[in-house]
Amino acid sequence: DGGITQSPKYLFRKEGQNVTLSCEQNLNHDAMYWYRQDPGQGLRLIYYSQIVNDFQKGDIAEGYSVSREKKESFPLTVTSAQKNPTAFYLCASSLRGDIYGYTFGSGTRLTVV
Amino acid sequence: GESVGLHLPTLSVQEGDNSIINCAYSNSASDYFIWYKQESGKGPQFIIDIRSNMDKRQGQRVTVLLNKTVKHLSLQIAATQPGDSAVYFCAETTGNQFYFGTGTSLTVIP
Repeated sequence: DGGITQSPKYLFRKEGQNVTLSCEQNLNHDAMYWYRQDPGQGLRLIYYSQIVNDFQKGDIAEGYSVSREKKESFPLTVTSAQKNPTAFYLCASSLRGDIYGYTFGSGTRLTVV
Repeated sequence: GESVGLHLPTLSVQEGDNSIINCAYSNSASDYFIWYKQESGKGPQFIIDIRSNMDKRQGQRVTVLLNKTVKHLSLQIAATQPGDSAVYFCAETTGNQFYFGTGTSLTVIP
């Protein structure tokens, strides 16, 4: 079945460490997105990519980095520069130019310990 | 100090009753809207969508109403079931980027 897979489901990070969250899709979608979700707040866009080897900052990109070397994969690195990284992270994908066809992954919960 | 998250609006309904969840959107130019359901620890699931040239759309047990005059969106769930317990939130877009609401937590009482 086609879908979008995020891993791991739970991730723990020590202060000062970088961690990378995985997002893989086999939907042949061109565009991929990373969102952050905090309690009582709407999803906020971190980064997005419309095509391979290209990506743009979203509303809260500081302290995060991404790469898009393959169409299927859009990993997110939470760097030590992100001051409050504990959150639920969601990846989504859509056909290029078809923002209406969003598919979300199941999320990764990142906790700083 | 410890940060405290905002509290979600909550709605509790008896099993079998109808539920109405509301959303006020911000951009009068938004032309497409989606309602999502999100269960604890999971990603959002698409429920129903509506374009701005419509004021009502029905799905299976769900209806979305759009009032562009007051920028208001509502989701009606008929004969609410325990499996409907989740957070529901709306999303709006002009076609460029989605903006998401904070959500309403629905609890169905058996």
